[in-house]
Formats: sequence, structure tokens, C-alpha cells
Amino acid sequence: GAGVSQSPSNKVTEKGKDVELRCDPISGHTALYWYRQSLGQGLEFLIYFQGNSAPDKSGLPSDRFSAERTGGSVSTLTIQRTQQEDSAVYLCASSFAAGLPSYEQYFGPGTRLTVT
Amino acid sequence: GENVEQHPSTLSVQEGDSAVIKCTYSDSASNYFPWYKQELGKRPQLIIDIRSNVGEKKDQRIAVTLNKTAKHFSLHITETQPEDSAVYFCGGATNKLIFGTGTLLAVQP
Repeated sequence: GAGVSQSPSNKVTEKGKDVELRCDPISGHTALYWYRQSLGQGLEFLIYFQGNSAPDKSGLPSDRFSAERTGGSVSTLTIQRTQQEDSAVYLCASSFAAGLPSYEQYFGPGTRLTVT
Repeated sequence: GENVEQHPSTLSVQEGDSAVIKCTYSDSASNYFPWYKQELGKRPQLIIDIRSNVGEKKDQRIAVTLNKTAKHFSLHITETQPEDSAVYFCGGATNKLIFGTGTLLAVQP
């Protein structure tokens, strides 16, 4: 079946502009994560959606970052007033978590964001 | 909240040797510890995981050990091959999954 998809695959934007990154999780997966991976760096947790619960936003680096998940499926990560330090690969992952993050996460291909 | 530390950041071994990557976690309530492998230019994929009620798990050439008292767990790869070269991430989870900073493993032929 279809895996996790993300769009766009690449995004180049000018400093100060807003960007929206999209994630389509695997159908039926209740948990969805956003991570940020800077060049040669680790997987930085950003936000976690689990079913209908309030999202865990504890990893968002500033109030310029926000995310929503509509209808328990598609998620959008929005970065307002982009800065050069926002340049990174943004990865989305979903899992069938049933209340606990103890199931395999399936990652999307990522969106490479470059802020010029 | 949970914090996961991973060492070393880079590891170079000769083909056929063993490789060990170590992680420590801060939250004693953590109950799930996965390991992901990310090959160059690809997305991370789960290679093995262990739950807190188990001390060791093995799958062919890879094994993971967990010491709950010391709050650390390790990935062991035996008989390394060039295709094992990748970045490896450990994770720790209570109510959400947090990853370590990754280990770049290079297997020299």
C-alpha cells in the first residue's frame, strides 16, 4: 500500500516568507510526528499528534512554527517569517499507536527547505 | 521530559568487526526503545526494538541490550558489512518517542 508522503519534496523560499509543508500519513495510522533534521544532525522532535488528543507541541522551536492535523489524517506544518536557520529537512512519520508510541514509525521522504 | 543521549557520534570499523552504539535515557518511565537506520539520502527505517520488560533481543547480526537500572541500552552489530554503513538513531518513549543525536557508522571494506 501507499506509504507516508510529503509535499513538496523541495522548497526554496526567501527569508521572511511563510511556508507550508504537507504530510499524508498511512491510512488508519492514529499517530503523526514531525521532526527536523539539519545537515548531518539528528532527528529533532517538533510536534506529535495522537488521535483526537491535544497535540504535544513541546518541540516547536518558536512561535513561528505551528502545525495542524485535519480530520485525523493530513497534517500541515507552517513556518511563518522563515529564517535561514530554519533550513533543514522536515520529516513526517506516522504509526498505528493506539495510545502509546510503541509501534513502528513509518517516515515520509521529507521536505528539504532552503531559506535564502 | 525524556532526553536520549547517544554515543559515539561517529564510528569507523573494519568489515567483519563488531560495532557497538550506546544510548542513555533520562525518564525511568520510558518503556520502548527502537533503533532506526538511515542510509544516505533515504528515510529512517526501524531495524530492531526492545520493550522495558525484556533485557535483550537479537535478530540475525543485530542485537539490542537494555539495562533499566542504569537507564542505558546498546545496539550491537556483528560481522559488519559495507551495507551496514549508515546513520543509526536510538529512541526512547514514554508518551512520545524522542531520538538520540545519531551515530554515523562507516564500515571499511
